[in-house]
Amino acid sequence: GENVEQHPSTLSVQEGDSAVIKCTYSDSASNYFPWYKQELGKGPQLIIDIRSNVGEKKDQRIAVTLNKTAKHFSLHITETQPEDSAVYFCAATLSESSASKIIFGSGTRLSIRP
Amino acid sequence: DTGVSQNPRHKITKRGQNVTFRCDPISEHNRLYWYRQTLGQGPEFLTYFQNEAQLEKSRLLSDRFSAERPKGSFSTLEIQRTEQGDSAMYLCASSLRGANYGYTFGSGTRLTVV
Repeated sequence: GENVEQHPSTLSVQEGDSAVIKCTYSDSASNYFPWYKQELGKGPQLIIDIRSNVGEKKDQRIAVTLNKTAKHFSLHITETQPEDSAVYFCAATLSESSASKIIFGSGTRLSIRP
Repeated sequence: DTGVSQNPRHKITKRGQNVTFRCDPISEHNRLYWYRQTLGQGPEFLTYFQNEAQLEKSRLLSDRFSAERPKGSFSTLEIQRTEQGDSAMYLCASSLRGANYGYTFGSGTRLTVV
């Protein structure tokens, strides 16, 4: 089945600097790659996603890149702010028969130092 | 805001007792998913409903676990004869168009088995 590996598990950056989180996936048939942000005591929230027919997508300070050949995808946050502190999860869809589900990485705890 | 609602938010139970959690998805979403999240890990897929039909169950869902979605609206997840290893956050998510378009998660039910 699909396996999503994520690193680093923790990341601390100075406010204003950039943060990069990297993931790999195993199933070459995966075609949708969402990123979720989880704050303390809350459920994960979708922040950006990318499909396999696109190499890069940006939304304000957040960008995602996808390398299908290498089965790598990454999240880039620029000009980090205190409110970016949270746990971030990469994920990939695994489609089998009539059902599809999202498989998550193990998460990156991002801390923004003032 | 008619997001995904989960009740209760917290549940403490003694080992061996049965517990039931409820999830109310976004009203127009016909797809509903249950996940389990342990400390420091990403959400793990448990089961998936499309309308009232349970289309997939993970091997994580032992015979002590049962989920229902009787009228294709709210869903319940029951754990019988709870064990300490069942302690986790149980997350519910819903989707209108399927996993390939992302989920909306609830805030979860945190279960502690003592």
